[in-house]
Amino acid sequence: GQNIDQPTEMTATEGAIVQINCTYQTSGFNGLFWYQQHAGEAPTFLSYNVLDGLEEKGRFSSFLSRSKGYSYLLLKELQMKDSASYLCARAGNNRKLIWGLGTSLAVNP
Amino acid sequence: DVKVTQSSRYLVKRTGEKVFLECVQDMDHENMFWYRQDPGLGLRLIYFSYDVKMKEKGDIPEGYSVSREKKERFSLILESASTNQTSMYLCASIPGRGEKLFFGSGTQLSVL
Repeated sequence: GQNIDQPTEMTATEGAIVQINCTYQTSGFNGLFWYQQHAGEAPTFLSYNVLDGLEEKGRFSSFLSRSKGYSYLLLKELQMKDSASYLCARAGNNRKLIWGLGTSLAVNP
Repeated sequence: DVKVTQSSRYLVKRTGEKVFLECVQDMDHENMFWYRQDPGLGLRLIYFSYDVKMKEKGDIPEGYSVSREKKERFSLILESASTNQTSMYLCASIPGRGEKLFFGSGTQLSVL
């Protein structure tokens, strides 16, 4: 993805915690999205951060540092169904989102 | 409930055929998008529209055109399908800037 970097693959164990990082270009920043995508399905919205800090939503939390151009998605108490691709996307000054290539997370028993 | 509907889940076409992919949203959203998604390349924007009869090229518009005659409907047209257009096509809509994208369920197009 253009100016968005996230790891290609990650592996974790059921019940554990995993952090997926995303770095992006800071110019013209207008918010950072995280989406989840299961194989063969459309992406579904997880979170949106526009201010610095941590936002928690159940087992999933998302963090943003605007000055560092950095975000992470934290998944707690991992379940097998969390095996999916996690997409980071940056909103800019126009209506288009800049997407990362996604992080494929495999949760093992 | 919010809904973006794509007309076909799977589609098989032959090289040279004209292909229409339809997308309808029922949320009165101004902005609609067409993406394609390929392994290792992520989501790539083909075209988007921010109003009826308005369209803008995305990152990979070559070989595609679009039509937005009504607010709720955004069509993607492959004038002459080629094998390199085999892909997952995703339609999405958004009410305004800084809002989350709502995706359709996708159309897996195979061009033989």
